[in-house]
Amino acid sequence: DAGVTQSPTHLIKTRGQQVTLRCSPKSGHDTVSWYQQALGQGPQFIFQYYEEEERQRGNFPDRFSGHQFPNYSSELNVNALLLGDSALYLCASSFNLPGLSSGANVLTFGAGSRLTVL
Amino acid sequence: AQSVTQLDSQVPVFEEAPVELRCNYSSSVSVYLFWYVQYPNQGLQLLLKYLSGSTLVESINGFEAEFNKSQTSFHLRKPSVHISDTAEYFCAVSDRGDYKLSFGAGTTVTVRA
Repeated sequence: DAGVTQSPTHLIKTRGQQVTLRCSPKSGHDTVSWYQQALGQGPQFIFQYYEEEERQRGNFPDRFSGHQFPNYSSELNVNALLLGDSALYLCASSFNLPGLSSGANVLTFGAGSRLTVL
Repeated sequence: AQSVTQLDSQVPVFEEAPVELRCNYSSSVSVYLFWYVQYPNQGLQLLLKYLSGSTLVESINGFEAEFNKSQTSFHLRKPSVHISDTAEYFCAVSDRGDYKLSFGAGTTVTVRA
């Protein structure tokens, strides 16, 4: 059973460019969250998608956008890249248990996409 | 908003010695608490979690953590570490009713023979 799959694993962009990162959730999971992990820091929540809608957003600018498809896979798009966007981008999936607060759901993380902005 | 503090950024320890990783969070509202582990070039994996009930929770590989509401802490302990426990450990907190996890900055544990 495949876990969370992310692509690409590594990529290099220049300032001002745009990037799209992709995530396939673990089989059976319907919720996808994205996190940014800068070097030496813990992951920071970007947003969460459920039923193809953005359910909650962290403190990130509108340059960060996402999408969830009917098959539950997801994309993270970042426009107008800045040097400070260089980080490991983590996708995490979970199953939304009815009656249980989402915060209690255990996340399964992918290995991440490492973005370097030059 | 929650903030999570992991008090030690690096913890070197000898094999078979005990280890404790400290974690404090900011808000005393009802929370869910987690420890995740990240091995090199791998995604984060759940180590253990506290949702409700007994304040002492255990993992299958010998780690345990205790929820202390009055001190807003969730420290992680293992009585005897192995070389394979070398990894980065993250404490994470979610407010009940929230969808996101707030992570600490991580503690790198290096186990030496």
